[in-house]
Amino acid sequence: DTAVSQTPKYLVTQMGNDKSIKCEQNLGHDTMYWYKQDSKKFLKIMFSYNNKELIINETVPNRFSPKSPDKAHLNLHINSLELGDSAVYFCASSSHDSYSRNTIYFGEGSWLTVV
Amino acid sequence: AQSVSQHNHHVILSEAASLELGCNYSYGGTVNLFWYVQYPGQHLQLLLKYFSGDPLVKGIKGFEAEFIKSKFSFNLRKPSVQWSDTAEYFCAVNDYKLSFGAGTTVTVRA
Repeated sequence: DTAVSQTPKYLVTQMGNDKSIKCEQNLGHDTMYWYKQDSKKFLKIMFSYNNKELIINETVPNRFSPKSPDKAHLNLHINSLELGDSAVYFCASSSHDSYSRNTIYFGEGSWLTVV
Repeated sequence: AQSVSQHNHHVILSEAASLELGCNYSYGGTVNLFWYVQYPGQHLQLLLKYFSGDPLVKGIKGFEAEFIKSKFSFNLRKPSVQWSDTAEYFCAVNDYKLSFGAGTTVTVRA
């Protein structure tokens, strides 16, 4: 059973399109994240939600909109895709309990290519 | 804001050689420290973590890391690498959010 699962794994789309990436975690965690990994492997946090509430919103174009229908799901919608949006997007989750101390577990990534 | 520095961008080793990857962070308060590994084409997996206690922590696949508070460092080590250790290695520090270093590419030659 995949702990943090995201779909689709690969996505090729044209500039200007709107696309969504879905993420679900079955770990019972209270916090979920979206990270972006660029072509140089650099990882940058985009958003974080705790119990469906947005707690981290880094400097990200407002074409990117996260949505958390419940604490087990965090979807990422991207409007008007641009070439520079091509990257790997990782969903992740964590728990703030005293044992886990916010250890983050990652999904398998969604490879987005904008052409 | 927290910053994380990984000293080596690309390390090339032969099998059985020892590996040490440097990591320094900027925040002086209580932090949780992590090393993640990303094998080619895969997602990030947790190698090991440090919260408190013994500053020498052991992780999976024979890796260990040492926390030196006075140096703000959390260096990763493995005494004898294998070809399968070829991967990208990320140091990460968590105060209120997880901040990653830029990563170190490790290439192990058979």
